[in-house]
Amino acid sequence: NAGVTQTPKFQVLKTGQSMTLQCAQDMNHNSMYWYRQDPGMGLRLIYYSASEGTTDKGEVPNGYNVSRLNKREFSLRLESAAPSQTSVYFCAIKTAGGYEQYFGPGTRLTVT
Amino acid sequence: GEDVEQSLFLSAREGDSSVINCTYTDSSSTYLYWYKQEPGAGLQLLTYIFSNMDMKQDQRLTVLLNKKDKHLSLRIADTQTGDSAIYFCAERSPNAGKSTFGDGTTLTVKP
Repeated sequence: NAGVTQTPKFQVLKTGQSMTLQCAQDMNHNSMYWYRQDPGMGLRLIYYSASEGTTDKGEVPNGYNVSRLNKREFSLRLESAAPSQTSVYFCAIKTAGGYEQYFGPGTRLTVT
Repeated sequence: GEDVEQSLFLSAREGDSSVINCTYTDSSSTYLYWYKQEPGAGLQLLTYIFSNMDMKQDQRLTVLLNKKDKHLSLRIADTQTGDSAIYFCAERSPNAGKSTFGDGTTLTVKP
């Protein structure tokens, strides 16, 4: 997972609280992604960003917002956390025109 | 939309070969991938195959692609306990900004 860092590694929130998950890369890749992983459901794309300043919705964007302020960082915000958002969140990056995605180590979020 | 299907569980004995299967629906898929996820870690790309290939071998790993049936398989020869992990199949079309992942197959290797 070298090159992609995520903070925090673990987080517990109460319903209704807000928080921002951070992702940063040092590989100078254009595309960045946020996925959530739930047991038996694989990876589901929340949002992605093909380049700095652009973002697009993925499969499950509701309840989330993202921000790509610069090439290096892509943050995921939960404005009002719900128990259904308990999951493991992965950030990933990819070169433009490349075929490999590099994943971060994940953030384990529990909403009570 | 695109869909990628995998069986959820597979069990193997150490030293045997393991075969993990995947089917996909998007006929324009150009890139097909296998990722490995160990407990508590992110996904790591194991291998990939382009749609103009039928087979790719990389040490103990053999990927077979049947484009007609939209079927992809990953064979792990001489399976080791360290191969126990979740294996994800994924596909991407040439102009898509994103990949579609299967739900993952949990491989358990017993001594």
